[in-house]
Amino acid sequence: QEQLVQSGAEVKKPGSSVKVSCKASGGTFGSYAVSWVRQAPGQGLEWVGVMSPMFGTVYYAQDLQGRVTLSADESAGTAYMDLSSLTSEDTAMYYCARVSGLLNGDYSLDVWGKGTTVKVSS
Amino acid sequence: SSDLTQPPSVSVSTGQTARITCSGNTVRKQYVFWYQQRPGQAPILIMSKDNERPSGIPERFSGSSSGATVTLTISAVQAEDEADYYCQSAADSGFPWLFGGGTKLTVL
Repeated sequence: QEQLVQSGAEVKKPGSSVKVSCKASGGTFGSYAVSWVRQAPGQGLEWVGVMSPMFGTVYYAQDLQGRVTLSADESAGTAYMDLSSLTSEDTAMYYCARVSGLLNGDYSLDVWGKGTTVKVSS
Repeated sequence: SSDLTQPPSVSVSTGQTARITCSGNTVRKQYVFWYQQRPGQAPILIMSKDNERPSGIPERFSGSSSGATVTLTISAVQAEDEADYYCQSAADSGFPWLFGGGTKLTVL
């Protein structure tokens, strides 16, 4: 069964950037898109964005537009989330998840990584 | 605030039926997906496209849709079902995607 392996926890200073990786255990995402979701401590899920490594299509949450960049190295089967100008409000668990069917409206996230903790603190 | 509205909490006794709703105009046009999240764990998909149960999800989980409300029903609730439940959908145009605020299910 496919697994998504995320990079380790990060501690960052306000104003800096963080890059989180998400590697497909099978070595490739194939035709699947990858979405990112974050969860602040004690809070609910917040959608960050989604990208299709195969087609290069990217969509971002409006609140994060301009600070977040999703990318992928398809040859390495790895997706990345880059978040800049960090503030304490970006402290959260960041999850990557595989999208069942971006092109047909099946936006279900059927495989999730275990999450990467990002803490922003001076 | 989220464009998908869920009750913050639902409480039921073991063996009873729990119903968790997700309301919003966008669900009239877009599918709704449901996730279960236990403390300290990543969410897992438990219902797809309003009422399709993924492989491995117990039959006691079901979904239904009526107008601007989609409902996740858990029949014969078990202690292990105690968790947070989130609905997910999309804006009318397909993006951005949205999550409901989450519902904490307590099993008495």
